[in-house]
Amino acid sequence: SQELEQSPQSLIVQEGKNLTINCTSSKTLYGLYWYKQKYGEGLIFLMMLQKGGEEKSHEKITAKLDEKKQQSSLHITASQPSHAGIYLCGADKAAGNKLTFGGGTRVLVKP
Amino acid sequence: DAGVTQSPTHLIKTRGQQVTLRCSPKSGHDTVSWYQQALGQGPQFIFQYYEEEERQRGNFPDRFSGHQFPNYSSELNVNALLLGDSALYLCASSLGGLKQPQHFGDGTRLSIL
Repeated sequence: SQELEQSPQSLIVQEGKNLTINCTSSKTLYGLYWYKQKYGEGLIFLMMLQKGGEEKSHEKITAKLDEKKQQSSLHITASQPSHAGIYLCGADKAAGNKLTFGGGTRVLVKP
Repeated sequence: DAGVTQSPTHLIKTRGQQVTLRCSPKSGHDTVSWYQQALGQGPQFIFQYYEEEERQRGNFPDRFSGHQFPNYSSELNVNALLLGDSALYLCASSLGGLKQPQHFGDGTRLSIL
């Protein structure tokens, strides 16, 4: 079965600093999804990546999928307190298929 | 445009009891998936419903069952509750067969005493 590992498990950054979260798969990724979760709440969809080498940006968040489609990174530029939360990567094997998630990365932004 | 809604938001049960959780998908979506998220972990896939049938199932015992109604809403039933069933139960909806992200509700927090 496919497994996703996220690193780091948690990080604390000073407001205004950049941060990067990695998601590594044991198998080639078909589709890779990034979600954000506030503690105890639902998941908010951030970005979806499908093609090797693909890169997407939304506001201050950029996600990339490497050429071999086995690793993705999420980068936040000039972090703000609103970026605090748990970031989860998820992957599926085919369109509409179940998602397998990593363990999550807990981000705290210090003002 | 209403998103995915789940009820109830919180629930407390005792061991051995049975529970039913409910989910209404995002408008226009026809596929509903259920996930269990234990504290400090990523969500684990339970099962997925499409056209009122269970299409996929994760590694969960038969105590976990579900149903999808003609209006695409769904229920998750858990029988003979165990302490280990305490978790956040998340419902996600999507449009079947298309490469679109799943949209999640805020979840039901289930506590077993």
